[in-house]
Amino acid sequence: DAGVIQSPRHEVTEMGQEVTLRCKPISGHDYLFWYRQTMMRGLELLIYFNNNVPIDDSGMPEDRFSAKMPNASFSTLKIQPSEPRDSAVYFCASSVGTTGELFFGEGSRLTVL
Amino acid sequence: QKEVEQNSGPLSVPEGAIASLNCTYSDRGSQSFFWYRQYSGKSPELIMFIYSNGDKEDGRFTAQLNKASQYVSLLIRDSQPSDSATYLCAVSDSSASKIIFGSGTRLSIRP
Repeated sequence: DAGVIQSPRHEVTEMGQEVTLRCKPISGHDYLFWYRQTMMRGLELLIYFNNNVPIDDSGMPEDRFSAKMPNASFSTLKIQPSEPRDSAVYFCASSVGTTGELFFGEGSRLTVL
Repeated sequence: QKEVEQNSGPLSVPEGAIASLNCTYSDRGSQSFFWYRQYSGKSPELIMFIYSNGDKEDGRFTAQLNKASQYVSLLIRDSQPSDSATYLCAVSDSSASKIIFGSGTRLSIRP
């Protein structure tokens, strides 16, 4: 299996621009998680889905952030408008059931200037 | 209070010694507990999980869980330079599906 695939790997954008991060989970996995990692705050859970349905989005920092999962093989995390404080590595992870074994993608490093 | 707390380190341990990493959590309903390893610039990978009180051993790694004290630990025996990484403690909430991570402990094994 190819593992969890994220794109882009690196994104540099200017404040105010829209950013879209993409994730393809491992086939057959029914849970998908979006995390954000910074030195200051560590690995923060933003939102997670079960069978394409958002279960908990309490970690989404504000209305500028939105996430969708239109089907079992694709999810997006959108930031509009972006701000410098959004600079971080964004990880997508998927799992089977609630075993807790998360398979992470390589991450998308976002820099907002 | 953060939901999952870890000492950020760095923790420096000589090669061949035992490295001890600790984690506390706030949700008494937490059901499952995990240790992930993250090398610099890489994504986290699962190395151990534990569900019941007591010890669980896997090779050089031992996970310990004390639910009464809300405490999880990871012991690494015969530490190797390749063990140098950040170790993330993760806990599932009472629903068992939401996985929360601590900020991680940076471990350095010195030759």
